[in-house]
Amino acid sequence: EPEVTQTPSHQVTQMGQEVILRCVPISNHLYFYWYRQILGQKVEFLVSFYNNEISEKSEIFDDQFSVERPDGSNFTLKIRSTKLEDSAMYFCASSEVGQGSSPLHFGNGTRLTVT
Amino acid sequence: GDSVTQMEGPVTLSEEAFLTINCTYTATGYPSLFWYVQYPGEGLQLLLKATKADDKGSNKGFEATYRKETTSFHLEKGSVQVSDSAVYFCALSDSGNTGFQKLVFGTGTRLLVSP
Repeated sequence: EPEVTQTPSHQVTQMGQEVILRCVPISNHLYFYWYRQILGQKVEFLVSFYNNEISEKSEIFDDQFSVERPDGSNFTLKIRSTKLEDSAMYFCASSEVGQGSSPLHFGNGTRLTVT
Repeated sequence: GDSVTQMEGPVTLSEEAFLTINCTYTATGYPSLFWYVQYPGEGLQLLLKATKADDKGSNKGFEATYRKETTSFHLEKGSVQVSDSAVYFCALSDSGNTGFQKLVFGTGTRLLVSP
């Protein structure tokens, strides 16, 4: 069964550094998402992306965050200057269509640790 | 805004016991409802879904019925196995202003099944 893959599985970085989290969505999916889960807390929506532009973003997704689909297969999340509170598990997801009944398929996540 | 409330865990059961994990929601409109499962060290996997009132989602012996009158989507399984030990997330799909879905998750309920 096709799956969403994320790399790396664990990223450690120092405060103030830039990080790029990478995702390869399922190949025939058109809608892409990033979510995050701070340890012990809820899974939170960050951003959705379609047709090479952001369709919706949450309050968490401020100017320090950006997303890009640099080629036909990758979908990246960049944090320009990481803060301690950015430490979390980041999940990439994709779906075939954007409507509410179309399930999201999630990757295994990248655990980001900011020191 | 939309929200999902789940019973707190952990839920500890013996193998073959009956499982119920409560989930209630608040939403404007008519969201789709989902249960996702997260096994240790893995990402979120869709377990089941229901897209309209009175729909029953089912998979791997798990069931949940979309109850509009009680705004609930409780997860049940008649006989749990050790391999069901995981964290279970209830979620609703909110299409928001853009028409593209975003998932709103509950806090997750950890299930521990002992032999």
